[in-house]
Amino acid sequence: EIVLTQSPGTLSLSPGERATLSCRASQSVSSNRLAWYQQKPGQAPRLVMYGASSRGTAIPDRFSGTGSGTDFTLTISRLEPEDFAVYYCLQFENSLPVTFGAGTKVEIK
Amino acid sequence: QVQLVQSGAEVKKPGASLKLSCKTSGFTFSSYSMHWVRQAPGQRPEWMGWVNGVNGARNYSPKFQDRVTITTDTTATTAYMELSSLSPEDTAVYYCARGYCSSSDCFWTPGYWGQGTLVTVSS
Repeated sequence: EIVLTQSPGTLSLSPGERATLSCRASQSVSSNRLAWYQQKPGQAPRLVMYGASSRGTAIPDRFSGTGSGTDFTLTISRLEPEDFAVYYCLQFENSLPVTFGAGTKVEIK
Repeated sequence: QVQLVQSGAEVKKPGASLKLSCKTSGFTFSSYSMHWVRQAPGQRPEWMGWVNGVNGARNYSPKFQDRVTITTDTTATTAYMELSSLSPEDTAVYYCARGYCSSSDCFWTPGYWGQGTLVTVSS
């Protein structure tokens, strides 16, 4: 099983600041099999990034994704109030199971 | 527009089974993958399995392999997820999700989600 380790667990930042979220895999993951989701309380996850670096529908360009192999990063260049949420990475390499990371909570400082 | 509407909350006894539905609209149901993902309170999401809408192939997480069944009714454009031998650890919100499509291509990645169904397992 591929384990995804997200860091930090919590990121305390102010609106306008830059957020850098890390997702590290225990084995290599193809870039096209890595995604990021945003989740707010009481809501379903929302696809932010697919294929590691492609933005989902209506995701603003302040969100960017990079990485390959075992290290992936989601960056939010300037935090807006609506960006404060929990972010999960997901991998679906050929071998099951599909796994999510434990999440990074981006909270208002 | 793509819509996935899930059935209502359920309360089950340990040992029972459940069957959840996910009614879809706004797209050609048989052309897309459908996933089921659950999320226990305060926990990360957990992928349970998926069905390939094109060829009907199914894959389940090894954790649920022995007690989960995902089915579809193409006429009703509805996906179903059955889970047997419930225990309190199965208390969670269960989501259905469809594969994501950009303006130019479609992907396995869950991209459109239902609103979730809260399942509570308690004696």
